[in-house]
Amino acid sequence: TQLLEQSPQFLSIQEGENLTVYCNSSSVFSSLQWYRQEPGEGPVLLVTVVTGGEVKKLKRLTFQFGDARKDSSLHITAAQPGDTGLYLCAGARGNDYKLSFGAGTTVTVRA
Amino acid sequence: ETGVTQTPRHLVMGMTNKKSLKCEQHLGHNAMYWYKQSAKKPLELMFVYSLEERVENNSVPSRFSPECPNSSHLFLHLHTLQPEDSALYLCASSQVVRTGGDYGYTFGSGTRLTVV
Repeated sequence: TQLLEQSPQFLSIQEGENLTVYCNSSSVFSSLQWYRQEPGEGPVLLVTVVTGGEVKKLKRLTFQFGDARKDSSLHITAAQPGDTGLYLCAGARGNDYKLSFGAGTTVTVRA
Repeated sequence: ETGVTQTPRHLVMGMTNKKSLKCEQHLGHNAMYWYKQSAKKPLELMFVYSLEERVENNSVPSRFSPECPNSSHLFLHLHTLQPEDSALYLCASSQVVRTGGDYGYTFGSGTRLTVV
C-alpha cells in the first residue's frame, strides 16, 4: 500500500471550470508539498504546508493541510490549459528530510 | 547554469551495455537524490547522499550503483539492465534543515531510459 493516496487518478475538465485533487494518508506528516510535472520535465515545487489547518494561495491555486496533518487538497479556480500536468503530493514525517510521493493526479484542461 | 542539470536527456541501451547518468546541481544544496519514475507508480527513492548519510533503498537491484564525488555531482552507473528498468530517472537536490522548515526538492528534467 502507498503511504500517500491521491485521487482522482485522472481529471479532464473544460477551461474555466474548477477542480480539486486530494492527497490522503493514515500517517501524520510534519510537512506536505505539492509539485506539478509537465511532460518531459521534472516535477516543480508549488507549495509547502507545515501547520495543521494551514491554507496557502498561489494565484488561482489554493492548498490546504488537514487539521490532523494527514491529508491535503489542491483546488484550482477557473482552470486554464496551462494548468495541465501531473500533480504530485509528497510528505515528510518527523525530522526525516526524505519525501514519500503519491502516484499523482493527471489533470487535463481542454481549451 | 542554475538549478539541477541531468545528462543525457534520453538513453537507449542494450542489456549488456554499461552507461552512466550524470546530475549536477548549482544551488549549494547539501543533499542529492536519485528517483525512478514509472508509469502510474509513485516516485521511487533509489539513493540519497547528504552531508550526514548515504541511504539506499534495499529493493534497488545491484545493477544500479550511485557515486557522489562531491556535494554538487551525482552519478548513477548502470550495467546489465533489464527491460523493466526502462523508466524516467530523476535527480533532485535539497537543503536539509534538521530544525525544520522547507524541505522542497529541486528536480532535474530527468533521463528517459529505454533498455532493449
